[in-house]
Amino acid sequence: EPEVTQTPSHQVTQMGQEVILRCVPISNHLYFYWYRQILGQKVEFLVSFYNNEISEKSEIFDDQFSVERPDGSNFTLKIRSTKLEDSAMYFCASSTQGRATDTQYFGPGTRLTVL
Amino acid sequence: QQQVKQSPQSLIVQKGGISIINCAYENTAFDYFPWYQQFPGKGPALLIAIRPDVSEKKEGRFTISFNKSAKQFSLHIMDSQPGDSATYFCAATLISSGSARQLTFGSGTQLTVLP
Repeated sequence: EPEVTQTPSHQVTQMGQEVILRCVPISNHLYFYWYRQILGQKVEFLVSFYNNEISEKSEIFDDQFSVERPDGSNFTLKIRSTKLEDSAMYFCASSTQGRATDTQYFGPGTRLTVL
Repeated sequence: QQQVKQSPQSLIVQKGGISIINCAYENTAFDYFPWYQQFPGKGPALLIAIRPDVSEKKEGRFTISFNKSAKQFSLHIMDSQPGDSATYFCAATLISSGSARQLTFGSGTQLTVLP
């Protein structure tokens, strides 16, 4: 069964450094998402992406964050200057269409630790 | 107004028992309510979902009960099994308008089913 993959599984970085989290969505999916989950807290929406454009973004997704589909398979989340509070599990998800009733398939996540 | 409140935070049930997880939402515009199941080391995976035009949806041992007037919905797991031990998230989203619909998650319930 096709699945969303994410790399790396764990990223440790120093505060102020840039990090890029990578995702390979399911191949025939057109809509892509990033969510994050701070330890012990709920999963929070960051951004959705379709046709090489941001579709929606939350208040969390400020100028420090950016997303990109650099080629036909990867979908990346960049954090320009990491802060301690960026430490979280970051989940990538994809869906065939962007309708609410379309299942979003989640990857296993990247645990980001900012020191 | 975008919040989805979930309880309990953790739940321990004996094998064969009924697990019940409750969620309440504030935004009356929400019109699609999925439940996600997450095993350790994995991303959330869609379990079952309901629209507010029905009061109940059943899939195997899993049932969603929906009370539109109370703005509450719940997940019932009948004949709970140790393999059901996972974290369960309720979520809500909007079917209407726009694309790439974001999910608003509850805080999660860690279910442990004892053998």
